[in-house]
Amino acid sequence: QVQLQESGPGLVKPSETLSLNCTVSGYSISSGYYWAWIRQSPREGLEWIANIYQSGTRFYNPSHRSRVTISVDKSRNQFSLTLTSVTATDTAIYYCARRSFGGQKYFDYWGQGLLVTVSS
Amino acid sequence: AIHLTQSPSSLSASVGDRVTITCRASQGIENDLGWYQQKSGKAPTLLIYSSTTLHSGVPSRFSGDRSGTDFTLTITSLQPEDAATYYCLQDYNYPWMFGQGTKVEIK
Repeated sequence: QVQLQESGPGLVKPSETLSLNCTVSGYSISSGYYWAWIRQSPREGLEWIANIYQSGTRFYNPSHRSRVTISVDKSRNQFSLTLTSVTATDTAIYYCARRSFGGQKYFDYWGQGLLVTVSS
Repeated sequence: AIHLTQSPSSLSASVGDRVTITCRASQGIENDLGWYQQKSGKAPTLLIYSSTTLHSGVPSRFSGDRSGTDFTLTITSLQPEDAATYYCLQDYNYPWMFGQGTKVEIK
């Protein structure tokens, strides 16, 4: 059974850097699929942030491209998100998810979500 | 960016009713649209992908259709457990975009 679990701070101060991890179990990241970060806030709804392929190929939402980095650690079967210079508008539930690769396109497994609040 | 206009934003229906939710893309996205269900406090779950393909394990009362850039999610006989918010997602090209959601309530 594939499972994803987000981890990271629940509270971050404005202007600081947010770092989140997603630990994948039941499937090897090296075996394929895209791995993605998605967030959800009352203001923006569901918003795709970035995804990475096991080869390291990355895609970013242009809305956040200058502040976001996605990376993968195959040895730990984890992937990560870094978001710099956070503001209150980055307050959201952050989800990690597995995304198919190829003709059939879907997010089939999601983490439970991690609430991140940006506040001093 | 390709935007999705989802309607209605909310609806209230009775058990057994037929419910239809629409998602209109701002430009052609072929069949690259999925539907997701999100129950309160939970992560979204996949219902339909490639506009019409039912994900494994999803009840057959859910179905998807496409006409040009208009996509529909239909629940043929609404059940109490279908109370949720439904989102469409276009992953035809980057940036992938979600619709604003439709909240379905049971009368």
